Amino acid sequence: QQPVQSPQAVILREGEDAVINCSSSKALYSVHWYRQKHGEAPVFLMILLKGGEQKGHEKISASFNEKKQQSSLYLTASQLSYSGTYFCGTEPSGGGADGLTFGKGTHLIIQP
Amino acid sequence: EAQVTQNPRYLITVTGKKLTVTCSQNMNHEYMSWYRQDPGLGLRQIYYSMNVEVTDKGDVPEGYKVSRKEKRNFPLILESPSPNQTSLYFCASSPLYNTEAFFGQGTRLTVV
Repeated sequence: QQPVQSPQAVILREGEDAVINCSSSKALYSVHWYRQKHGEAPVFLMILLKGGEQKGHEKISASFNEKKQQSSLYLTASQLSYSGTYFCGTEPSGGGADGLTFGKGTHLIIQP
Repeated sequence: EAQVTQNPRYLITVTGKKLTVTCSQNMNHEYMSWYRQDPGLGLRQIYYSMNVEVTDKGDVPEGYKVSRKEKRNFPLILESPSPNQTSLYFCASSPLYNTEAFFGQGTRLTVV
């Protein structure tokens, strides 16, 4: 089952902050975040693992609430280059290696 | 240059005519996977491979086959394509499972 992302779309002015949420009905081992610009391939942003470990880029921050099975991506002082569609991918906990299940995406538009 | 290469980038074919989309990575990555992307549905995993000769189904494997005979290559095979397989396909590779994924540029497939 796909994780649910919110909001579906958001329009911001340059310099404003945004929060994108990802919620799953399953217990999670990890949450992955990617950004995709129109006509391009998705690009890695961050992985958050159960237990608190994070792997990602310095300018991106995110949180992972294991108990609530939720993750949030924080974009502060947004720049025009942040525009695109953001996807979260979730991996259920329970041992073994399973594939990722991605949400439907959040469209972010940054205006000058 | 480190990259994931998919071919072809665009393909129009007829129902029932077998086709293969190739995917090759030059980063010596263990983990590879295939996704399809449809409007409003996000990225959905088709198959993934933990290593050579090890493959497993993702969320939407029906109508697809894969093989992993070599570490660098992970072709996607459609034995009898149907119009509902019209989609944008992405191949991705990662150093290990649960690490940053690098995506190919995508293959836009149309089945008429």
